[in-house]
Amino acid sequence: LAKTTQPISMDSYEGQEVNITCSHNNIATNDYITWYQQFPSQGPRFIIQGYKTKVTNEVASLFIPADRKSSTLSLPRVSLSDTAVYYCLVGVPSGGSYIPTFGRGTSLIVHP
Amino acid sequence: GAVVSQHPSRVICKSGTSVKIECRSLDFQATTMFWYRQFPKQSLMLMATSNEGSKATYEQGVEKDKFLINHASLTLSTLTVTSAHPEDSSFYICSASDVRATYNEQFFGPGTRLTVL
Repeated sequence: LAKTTQPISMDSYEGQEVNITCSHNNIATNDYITWYQQFPSQGPRFIIQGYKTKVTNEVASLFIPADRKSSTLSLPRVSLSDTAVYYCLVGVPSGGSYIPTFGRGTSLIVHP
Repeated sequence: GAVVSQHPSRVICKSGTSVKIECRSLDFQATTMFWYRQFPKQSLMLMATSNEGSKATYEQGVEKDKFLINHASLTLSTLTVTSAHPEDSSFYICSASDVRATYNEQFFGPGTRLTVL
């Protein structure tokens, strides 16, 4: 299983763009990159998933360079409610072999 | 769509008793569900993979006789903590993915807070 490394914590202010980078040096050819958000005492919530280049949805963008050894979650114009822990996962998303394994995550604190 | 529920959301029990936690996929079928445990300010730790109609696969260090997992149908998996002790107090979370989905987006339950006195 590919191991991921993320910053332990980040601070930002309301209205700013936040970029959280995840390193996954031994990502396999078939692995996808998935990001989750978790609030205290709640289950994680899916944010975005990608394989290469750039993926964008209504809440975030995911940038993946050509070598795919890292990825960056971009949150545009964060608000106080974006204060949460963000996890980066890698793995093959389809089929029975996928086991979502969580690293330490990044604790994002958004200040007024 | 794609909702996973857990019951109960919170439970307090005495040491030595057993506690059952249910995980249900409400609007999709899941052949595989995962059970996690999360201690305060720590990440989710995978305990076991629950397979419908077969035995669960436990991670190293997780006692299968203590944490009994049953996956009786495509929409229900249960985790029973037997003879619970204070060190079993934790936040237990399950996840599941839709068997029909192309991409294995995991949907997580809201979690169950277990406190063993």
